[in-house]
Amino acid sequence: DAGVIQSPRHEVTEMGQEVTLRCKPISGHNSLFWYRQTMMRGLELLIYFNNNVPIDDSGMPEDRFSAKMPNASFSTLKIQPSEPRDSAVYFCASRQGSGTEAFFGQGTRLTVV
Amino acid sequence: GESVGLHLPTLSVQEGDNSIINCAYSNSASDYFIWYKQESGKGPQFIIDIRSNMDKRQGQRVTVLLNKTVKHLSLQIAATQPGDSAVYFCASYNFNKFYFGSGTKLNVKP
Repeated sequence: DAGVIQSPRHEVTEMGQEVTLRCKPISGHNSLFWYRQTMMRGLELLIYFNNNVPIDDSGMPEDRFSAKMPNASFSTLKIQPSEPRDSAVYFCASRQGSGTEAFFGQGTRLTVV
Repeated sequence: GESVGLHLPTLSVQEGDNSIINCAYSNSASDYFIWYKQESGKGPQFIIDIRSNMDKRQGQRVTVLLNKTVKHLSLQIAATQPGDSAVYFCASYNFNKFYFGSGTKLNVKP
């Protein structure tokens, strides 16, 4: 398996534009997490899916952020409209069962100018 | 909410020496504590975990110690190698979710 695949690796967009980040989890994994990483706040959990269903979205900063998981092999994180303070590295991670080992993708570095 | 913090932002060690990375946590109800390693430009990678009812767990060249009395967690790396240079995060695991600390950057000097 190629691991968790995220796209794009880098995204530069202008303030106010819509941004969509994509994630393909490891096949067979039933949990998916979206994290945001910044120097100031570290790794923040945004949302957690189990069996494609959003279980906890309390970390989503505001209504501008939304996440979907239409099937077991794909998830998106959308920011609309984007703002400069959204600039960060966004990670997707997947996990099998209820274990403690989550597998992270390479991340998407988002820059909003 | 969850709070997992680290004592030092940067740790420099000589190649071959042992490294100790420390972490404090606030939620005593966490089921597990976990250490992750993040190399530059990559996502975090699982190293080792410890169940909350244990005091010590050993892996390959790594040992994690848990002191529940003072809510302290440490990661010991034996014979540190250049490939160990990375940022190390401790995380707590509760209700199927992971909460990460701010990270310690380990620099290994040749």
